[in-house]
Amino acid sequence: SQTIHQWPATLVQPVGSPLSLECTVEGTSNPNLYWYRQAAGRGLQLLFYSVGIGQISSEVPQNLSASRPQDRQFILSSKKLLLSDSGFYLCAWGVMQEQFFGPGTRLTVL
Amino acid sequence: AQSVTQLDSHVSVSEGTPVLLRCNYSSSYSPSLFWYVQHPNKGLQLLLKYTSAATLVKGINGFEAEFKKSETSFHLTKPSAHMSDAAEYFCVVRLTGANNLFFGTGTRLTVIP
Repeated sequence: SQTIHQWPATLVQPVGSPLSLECTVEGTSNPNLYWYRQAAGRGLQLLFYSVGIGQISSEVPQNLSASRPQDRQFILSSKKLLLSDSGFYLCAWGVMQEQFFGPGTRLTVL
Repeated sequence: AQSVTQLDSHVSVSEGTPVLLRCNYSSSYSPSLFWYVQHPNKGLQLLLKYTSAATLVKGINGFEAEFKKSETSFHLTKPSAHMSDAAEYFCVVRLTGANNLFFGTGTRLTVIP
């Protein structure tokens, strides 16, 4: 069976500090991978998706970046966090029609 | 262009009464439609999906949704609400062949004992 892991589960970071959130998938090969952000009181916003190693598509211009160094690893990064980066970050993997979501990382930027 | 609109940001029902969460979509092509549920501080779980087969779709936990092309709707229903149904529900549309999911803004369901 497939599982998806995200860490850390929660994170509190000061403004201007760097960020690295990691997502790994088990039990499937060459999945599409996605990063979403859910800001307080708002729906989910697709940030990045990847159809393969080293292939990243950005949906929204921002100070975040994503990388896929391995087939089942997807990393969300920032060099300098902004207050507006606070939110709940969800990683998902997808094959064909469906997407399956990880447990999420709650990021608070102070 | 495609989008999805959830008409109610918050729905409150009594335990044991029916649940109706409304969703309308706009899409130039035949969409795939989904309902996801999110419990507090948890990831999203797929409830059900419509992918151009039967228009009445049955999902987990007693939920179902009916795809009505003439009304461009995909409302989520359940005959009898349970306390454990309290959560945020997202209606989602996916254009055929596309990688992206487009999420509605969500409906928070409260179940009153």
